[in-house]
Amino acid sequence: GENVEQHPSTLSVQEGDSAVIKCTYSDSASNYFPWYKQELGKRPQLIIDIRSNVGEKKDQRIAVTLNKTAKHFSLHITETQPEDSAVYFCAAPWAGGTSYGKLTFGQGTILTVHP
Amino acid sequence: DVKVTQSSRYLVKRTGEKVFLECVQDMDHENMFWYRQDPGLGLRLIYFSYDVKMKEKGDIPEGYSVSREKKERFSLILESASTNQTSMYLCASTPGDEQFFGPGTRLTVL
Repeated sequence: GENVEQHPSTLSVQEGDSAVIKCTYSDSASNYFPWYKQELGKRPQLIIDIRSNVGEKKDQRIAVTLNKTAKHFSLHITETQPEDSAVYFCAAPWAGGTSYGKLTFGQGTILTVHP
Repeated sequence: DVKVTQSSRYLVKRTGEKVFLECVQDMDHENMFWYRQDPGLGLRLIYFSYDVKMKEKGDIPEGYSVSREKKERFSLILESASTNQTSMYLCASTPGDEQFFGPGTRLTVL
């Protein structure tokens, strides 16, 4: 599949600070980049996604940016709150053959927001 | 509201046992997936299915098989469980883009 690298593996911030998580991918044909949030003991859920025809997308306190030339995309969380504490996963479409909605996920980032 | 359910939240098995993990989705999705989740390794695809009786290997299929006899149900089978298969197993389904996950099965192989 696609090769997706995610950094950092852990991120600790104070409430109110911003948090940035970055992912790089290898297949230049990739065109869909979702971000999933997994709270402790819960299932991963989609929080935002971006397609390759746009460079940035925002939804309240979260935003995703995409740089197709450099093959990286980032999740930005502003004014972090304790409930943002979770594991965040980036993903990119499976490379090679028909996608069928298959994704390759990054290794995950454990975000901790301290009150 | 999409609902994906898994047969067990926690499972403890012995080495060599045959293990069945079941996943059911109620949204008529064509595509279903089985992942294993290990700390620092993210979600790794074991197998996926794009139609009834159709399946393809993912990144880590060794030691696993799958079955999809009905559209809504996708089963993961460990033919002979080993300790290195102790992990969290997540099922997901999708109509094309967003994947909807089940709650996960924490499997421990002793």
